[in-house]
Amino acid sequence: DQQVKQNSPSLSVQEGRISILNCDYTNSMFDYFLWYKKYPAEGPTFLISISSIKDKNEDGRFTVFLNKSAKHLSLHIVPSQPGDSAVYFCAASLHNFNKFYFGSGTKLNVKP
Amino acid sequence: DAGVIQSPRHEVTEMGQEVTLRCKPISGHDYLFWYRQTMMRGLELLIYFNNNVPIDDSGMPEDRFSAKMPNASFSTLKIQPSEPRDSAVYFCASSVNPFNSMDTQYFGPGTRLTVL
Repeated sequence: DQQVKQNSPSLSVQEGRISILNCDYTNSMFDYFLWYKKYPAEGPTFLISISSIKDKNEDGRFTVFLNKSAKHLSLHIVPSQPGDSAVYFCAASLHNFNKFYFGSGTKLNVKP
Repeated sequence: DAGVIQSPRHEVTEMGQEVTLRCKPISGHDYLFWYRQTMMRGLELLIYFNNNVPIDDSGMPEDRFSAKMPNASFSTLKIQPSEPRDSAVYFCASSVNPFNSMDTQYFGPGTRLTVL
């Protein structure tokens, strides 16, 4: 049973517009959430994270929003650039239980 | 630092053969993770080690899979016997302490395994 779900396998966005990637989770005890980006033939790289005690974290063009009541996480990329085209993985952790869970990924295509 | 090193980068084998994937973590990282990526299931955590000791192997699919970490700079993931459904990209990652909010995991480039 997947505890972290990314229901959109792919997303296509025009350059300069906003990209919104979504992630849902089932366990209200998750205390930390992360987004990783993966280019073809490379390993995932860390992008941005958020603690469960916050509802927003921003880093340049990337902002992660956390809605705990809805158990929903989203990553906003503004403005989107062709170099953002990659697979994005959402992840969640239970620090006290030393557990990690990844979503299945969303492939973002930013069209020039 | 060279980052996490995995070998081989590609492996093609026949069903029934033994496959060994290798990983060298970043020096000083106490945690090592093995993941598998497939189209159907995305990125799955198979097992992870802390200070060379396996902590959680609940993601290992079955007894055909085994992982070892004989020392702080080397780990192997073995599949014996291999089956076509094991075809996937296998990633190794390392971290100082992934359960510290200031830290993250660093992934290797992966090994693409094809079992015919």
